[in-house]
Amino acid sequence: QQQVKQSPQSLIVQKGGISIINCAYENTAFDYFPWYQQFPGKGPALLIAIRPDVSEKKEGRFTISFNKSAKQFSLHIMDSQPGDSATYFCAASPSGGSYIPTFGRGTSLIVHP
Amino acid sequence: EAGVAQSPRYKIIEKRQSVAFWCNPISGHATLYWYQQILGQGPKLLIQFQNNGVVDDSQLPKDRFSAERLKGVDSTLKIQPAKLEDSAVYLCASSRTGGAGWFETQYFGPGTRLLVL
Repeated sequence: QQQVKQSPQSLIVQKGGISIINCAYENTAFDYFPWYQQFPGKGPALLIAIRPDVSEKKEGRFTISFNKSAKQFSLHIMDSQPGDSATYFCAASPSGGSYIPTFGRGTSLIVHP
Repeated sequence: EAGVAQSPRYKIIEKRQSVAFWCNPISGHATLYWYQQILGQGPKLLIQFQNNGVVDDSQLPKDRFSAERLKGVDSTLKIQPAKLEDSAVYLCASSRTGGAGWFETQYFGPGTRLLVL
């Protein structure tokens, strides 16, 4: 059972464009929603995260939008740069227990110069 | 500070052979995680340690996988015997405390890429 559905699987944008990656979840116990960035040959690194008590969080060019009623959240990368080319994973963690994130399948982003 | 170290970076074995991976977490981090990342998928937790005790190993295939964290620092993950479907990247991560009530940042190592032929 895929608890966190991520789309698209791959994304190509031009430099300066907006990259948008969407995720949906089913488990209402999820209470923390991080996004990870992974470059080839490296482990994932936390990029930005949001709790469901806010609808949006912005850090630099990266913004998470969160829709609790629809159980959806998305990552927006403004002014996309070639250096942003990587695989992005959304994840969701429940409150309580061991707080282990359930990851989406990932989105491979390519930003053309 | 130094990141999470893993070795080897790559390993090729034949099915039914055994293999072991090593992880050294960030100094002072109490919690250590092993994830399996199959090509085209997100990481899946195999086991979580807090100090040298197991917190969660519900997704570890215990008939063939084992892990230990002696002295609450380094950890090894072993597969014996390996199957073709074990081909994946094995990621180690650590976090400061892993304590309840707080979502801590997990820091991932570069992973060990395993190919089972």
